[in-house]
Amino acid sequence: AQKVTQAQTEISVVEKEDVTLDCVYETRDTTYYLFWYKQPPSGELVFLIRRNSFDEQNEISGRYSWNFQKSTSSFNFTITASQVVDSAVYFCALSEADSYNFNKFYFGSGTKLNVKP
Amino acid sequence: DTAVSQTPKYLVTQMGNDKSIKCEQNLGHDTMYWYKQDSKKFLKIMFSYNNKELIINETVPNRFSPKSPDKAHLNLHINSLELGDSAVYFCASSQKRESYNEQFFGPGTRLTVL
Repeated sequence: AQKVTQAQTEISVVEKEDVTLDCVYETRDTTYYLFWYKQPPSGELVFLIRRNSFDEQNEISGRYSWNFQKSTSSFNFTITASQVVDSAVYFCALSEADSYNFNKFYFGSGTKLNVKP
Repeated sequence: DTAVSQTPKYLVTQMGNDKSIKCEQNLGHDTMYWYKQDSKKFLKIMFSYNNKELIINETVPNRFSPKSPDKAHLNLHINSLELGDSAVYFCASSQKRESYNEQFFGPGTRLTVL
């Protein structure tokens, strides 16, 4: 079974629209970490945010915000007033800590975001 | 200065050949990783080394052999290349091996097996 599900394969929006990328995870660990990465067309993977399982506070960084809800096992990512430069594939990842505590990332399949001018 | 670098960026080779990809990080991190990203963009971990010691070894064919001469370098050697090995291979590093550490990725090596 997949530990991280990103059900939206591809999303297209027009510049300045808000867009939310969904991430649902599955784990039995009580301690775990969730991450978002951006992969622009140039191909590199860029770290965006880390959230631990004990911190359900939402986070905002400029136009980016993240909504972590343990009750629904979701860690969604919203881009406000999207820009063409936001066009990329976005990955959600899970790292579990209880029995293993090695930094083994389980990545979702990614959501490709197309922002049109 | 590039934090995590990989060489080569592109690698085109014939089936059956042996090839290596090199990775270096100048972040002073203890832990390094190899990931494979297939044509559908799915990223899967292959190996992880912590201070030159292998700590994660996923179900990867024996033809893949990682080597870490020191904690700043992690190379990937692939023997008897097959068509299915075509993918983008990413090297990454993290400060420590524990689960809370974010990983920093290299630019990737696109391997094409003909």
